[in-house]
Amino acid sequence: SAVISQKPSRDICQRGTSLTIQCQVDSQVTMMFWYRQQPGQSLTLIATANQGSEATYESGFVIDKFPISRPNLTFSTLTVSNMSPEDSSIYLCSVVAENANTGELFFGEGSRLTVL
Amino acid sequence: QKEVEQNSGPLSVPEGAIASLNCTYSDRVSQSFFWYRQYSGKSPELIMSIYSNGDKEDGRFTAQLNKASQYVSLLIRDSQPSDSATYLCAVNRGSGYALNFGKGTSLLVTP
Repeated sequence: SAVISQKPSRDICQRGTSLTIQCQVDSQVTMMFWYRQQPGQSLTLIATANQGSEATYESGFVIDKFPISRPNLTFSTLTVSNMSPEDSSIYLCSVVAENANTGELFFGEGSRLTVL
Repeated sequence: QKEVEQNSGPLSVPEGAIASLNCTYSDRVSQSFFWYRQYSGKSPELIMSIYSNGDKEDGRFTAQLNKASQYVSLLIRDSQPSDSATYLCAVNRGSGYALNFGKGTSLLVTP
């Protein structure tokens, strides 16, 4: 499986500010996704990060709130904009390993955000 | 909305027993099914994948799939306290790679 590194691992943020989360993969991957896990909840897909083009957002998530960049096949960023306490969550980067044509999804360690 | 349903638990089993975790899904197009284990404060870890009807065994874990009934299960034999975690069932969305996750079943293995 790919090694997926996320930064920051955790942060405490003030209401109204924005934070950018970075995801670095140790190998080139085609499929990369950003998920959110709110306290006590399961994982919800935010968007598919597309290399060289705009991300594909799920219902309920918009680019103005969660802008995503993916400049190459090993790196992506997710920004949480104009944060409110409801954005307090774990944000997870995930990839489908290139040598796994079975669709197995692997996750980074996550970025735990607390918004005050 | 395509859904993945799991009992939230907690499911409590004694050490050495078999733990049985169940999952149903609503999207009949789904072809790929996964079980993830998530320890508190950690990210999900893939433990089993299954694509065809029937059983798939890997060590102490057995995944079972019944597409007609839209049902997936995970059996953990000889349960250990270290198996105590939340187990997430995940199903691929349509023909793509993105996954829908259930809310997870909390498993507690007592010594």
